[in-house]
Amino acid sequence: QLQLQESGPGLVKPSETLSLTCTVSGGSISSRSYYWGWIRQPPGMGLEWIGSFFYSGSTYYNPSLRSRVTISVDTSKNQFSLKLSSVTAADTAVYYCARQLWFEVRNRTLNWFDPWGQGTLVTVSS
Amino acid sequence: NFMLTQPHSVSESPGKTVTISCTGNSGSIASNYVQWYQQRPGSAPTTVIYENNQRPSGVPGRFSGSIDSSSNSASLTISGLKTEDEADYYCQSYDTSIGVFGGGTKLTVL
Repeated sequence: QLQLQESGPGLVKPSETLSLTCTVSGGSISSRSYYWGWIRQPPGMGLEWIGSFFYSGSTYYNPSLRSRVTISVDTSKNQFSLKLSSVTAADTAVYYCARQLWFEVRNRTLNWFDPWGQGTLVTVSS
Repeated sequence: NFMLTQPHSVSESPGKTVTISCTGNSGSIASNYVQWYQQRPGSAPTTVIYENNQRPSGVPGRFSGSIDSSSNSASLTISGLKTEDEADYYCQSYDTSIGVFGGGTKLTVL
């Protein structure tokens, strides 16, 4: 059974870089069948897609965050990471990693996040 | 930008049926598949519907999804409501390499 687990500091200072890691077990992030993504949820608010990557190295970022986001992968550890630079209080959120199914089915795009990690709360505060 | 709009909240009694809508602001919502996620307090989202109307194994048949091209909307219908269905529900789709989520609907079963 595929499981994902986020890890990283729970507190980051304003203007610094948020760094999180997602460890995948029960499956390989080098799979040619899946993408892997990051999603966040500010307290009491909705979900926001941050970005995704494919094992080949292709990355896709939310345009609203693109200038500050980097997603990278460590296949030897079956992990992928998120870096978000120049954070502010608005970046305070629960950050989730998820497997992403992204392909064409009957001339339509399926872009589906499943399963998700349990999430980790990151607070931006001095 | 493609956006999905959901009602902020809905409420219904146990045993009844409720429908949550998800309306696209442009293009055709039928152009790509819509997923629905359930999120209970303090937990990560889980899928209740994918590919517009498919249920993952383990999701009860009380959950169903549909698309209405005339209103550019997707809908999640839950019949035979149970108190355990009380949660936030999010629709999600896709637009030009971007994952798009609706704002979420809080379902209260009272």
